[in-house]
Amino acid sequence: GNSVTQMEGPVTLSEEAFLTINCTYTATGYPSLFWYVQYPGEGLQLLLKATKADDKGSNKGFEATYRKETTSFHLEKGSVQVSDSAVYFCALSDQLRGGSQGNLIFGKGTKLSVKP
Amino acid sequence: EPEVTQTPSHQVTQMGQEVILRCVPISNHLYFYWYRQILGQKVEFLVSFYNNEISEKSEIFDDQFSVERPDGSNFTLKIRSTKLEDSAMYFCASNRAVLNEKLFFGSGTQLSVL
Repeated sequence: GNSVTQMEGPVTLSEEAFLTINCTYTATGYPSLFWYVQYPGEGLQLLLKATKADDKGSNKGFEATYRKETTSFHLEKGSVQVSDSAVYFCALSDQLRGGSQGNLIFGKGTKLSVKP
Repeated sequence: EPEVTQTPSHQVTQMGQEVILRCVPISNHLYFYWYRQILGQKVEFLVSFYNNEISEKSEIFDDQFSVERPDGSNFTLKIRSTKLEDSAMYFCASNRAVLNEKLFFGSGTQLSVL
């Protein structure tokens, strides 16, 4: 079945460091890929998405490119800030299922802590 | 930005008891969802709800679970007879339309079954 695997956390970085959080997926069909973020005490929020191969999603300095050949959607940011400390979730939706686009398959989440 | 609201933030119950988790989705949204995350594991889809009926459910969503939209604003998840393994963070989510892929999540209810 469809699944998402993302790197184990926690990840601890200093401010202005480069961030990569790896995400790979297994899916039949042509899923859309997402990164959601959960700040402390809040719900998950959509950070960025990509709906087809080679698309790049970007938001708030974060980027991820949909790589069909490596089945990956790694999250990157060139210079992290303390305010980026949160849990990051990679997710996919399988458009071929024909069901609601809300039926997402998530990874376990990666906790990022950024120190000043 | 409008929010999905979940109550309570933390619920403690005894094994075998019934619990109802409550959610108020964003007012103009039409699709509603429950997800859960057992500590250290993945966020898992439970059920989606549209037009006053379940549109899809996962294998986790067995006969012990039910959902309801009792009025125009609330969306509830009921677990009839809780088990220890039901302990998890439960997230409610909503969106406007099936083609709108952005989900709006609540901050979750941490359910602890003792």
